[in-house]
Order: sequence, then C-alpha cells, then structure tokens
Amino acid sequence: NAGVTQTPKFQVLKTGQSMTLQCAQDMNHNSMYWYRQDPGMGLRLIYYSASEGTTDKGEVPNGYNVSRLNKREFSLRLESAAPSQTSVYFCASRDRGWYEQFFGPGTRLTVL
Amino acid sequence: QKEVEQNSGPLSVPEGAIASLNCTYSDRGSQSFFWYRQYSGKSPELIMFIYSNGDKEDGRFTAQLNKASQYVSLLIRDSQPSDSATYLCAVRGGGADGLTFGKGTHLIIQP
Repeated sequence: NAGVTQTPKFQVLKTGQSMTLQCAQDMNHNSMYWYRQDPGMGLRLIYYSASEGTTDKGEVPNGYNVSRLNKREFSLRLESAAPSQTSVYFCASRDRGWYEQFFGPGTRLTVL
Repeated sequence: QKEVEQNSGPLSVPEGAIASLNCTYSDRGSQSFFWYRQYSGKSPELIMFIYSNGDKEDGRFTAQLNKASQYVSLLIRDSQPSDSATYLCAVRGGGADGLTFGKGTHLIIQP
C-alpha cells in the first residue's frame, strides 16, 4: 500500500510555462484534495473532489485547474505559471464517512 | 472567512516534560478537529483527531476540545527529542470537508 503518491517531487519552471502535478491514491478513497503550503503559512485548499467526476474550488483556486481522472487520480494543472505559485503542493485523500485526511509527500515547485 | 490561530513559537520544552500546544478557531459551527505533525521538508502526518468536548488520549498524546471557548489543545507527555516538529491544528469546515489549517507551532524538545 503506497498510500498517496505525488509526482514530480521537485520542479523548476519559468514564468509562463505550464505543467501538471500528478496525484494518485490506492486506498479507494472517495475525496481528494490539493493544498499549497507557503513559508510561515498553514496549508491552504486549492481545489477538491468529493467524488469521481466532481471538482470544486477551495480557498485559493486562481491560476489552477484540476481533473479527477478516475477514482484514484487527481491532477493539478498550472496553465501559465507565475512566481507567486512558488510553493509546496500537497495532495490528500479521505475515505467516505471519515474526516481524517492523509497526505502525499508533496511537490516542491519553484517558478522563476 | 474561517480562521484557525496558533502561536507560531518556537516553543521550547525540556525532554521528559509536558508540551502544551494550543489552537483557537473562529467558526462556532466547526465539528471536527485534527492535529498533524510535520517534520521539516516532510508532509503532514495525522496525530490525533477529536470530535466531542473533553479529552481524548492516545499513548503520550492527549487532545482537549472546548467548543464553548472555541479552543483545542494537544498535550504531549514525556516529550522526546523526536517530538521536535511543527504541529498543525486543522478544523473541518472548508467545503466538502476540506480542512482549514493554522500556521503551525514549532516545537523544540531540548535533550
């Protein structure tokens, strides 16, 4: 059981470039989440997916898009990266009926 | 805007003592409360969760919830150097059970 996996672990982009962060979970969880964590800040919710086929905006969605590809996978896309999107991105998942979320190892993104 | 407040620290505690971490939240309708531990460069790891007023114990950890005063705390007994980390308080309420996090308290256990 790998839990929640994320790729890549590190990425450096130039302003204006695009990329997709991948997340997968093998726990058969229904809900999946994308957070960002900036120095001195708590985690902030970007987007979430309550179930396969649904996605909704969180607290800081601007500049991002998401796709719930299937029950296992939830990707986060930056269409035109900006330096303000330099952050650590965490994916998380939760089982139906439980509120505890389990986190992946994170992707450290730098936008120059 | 739901808010979760924590003292950023650092909180320095001698080894073997009790570490006390506190958190307040603004949304009186919040239902579920979580403590995560995060080592530097790592992802958050769930330590405790509590849903009802009172205390909940798990090994060396005790979570305390007081909904009337809107605070939740985490006690760590017999603190060990390996407990040195940032502790994140999180509250359920942000859309489809997304969590609202505090900024975390940096705990240092001094040998």
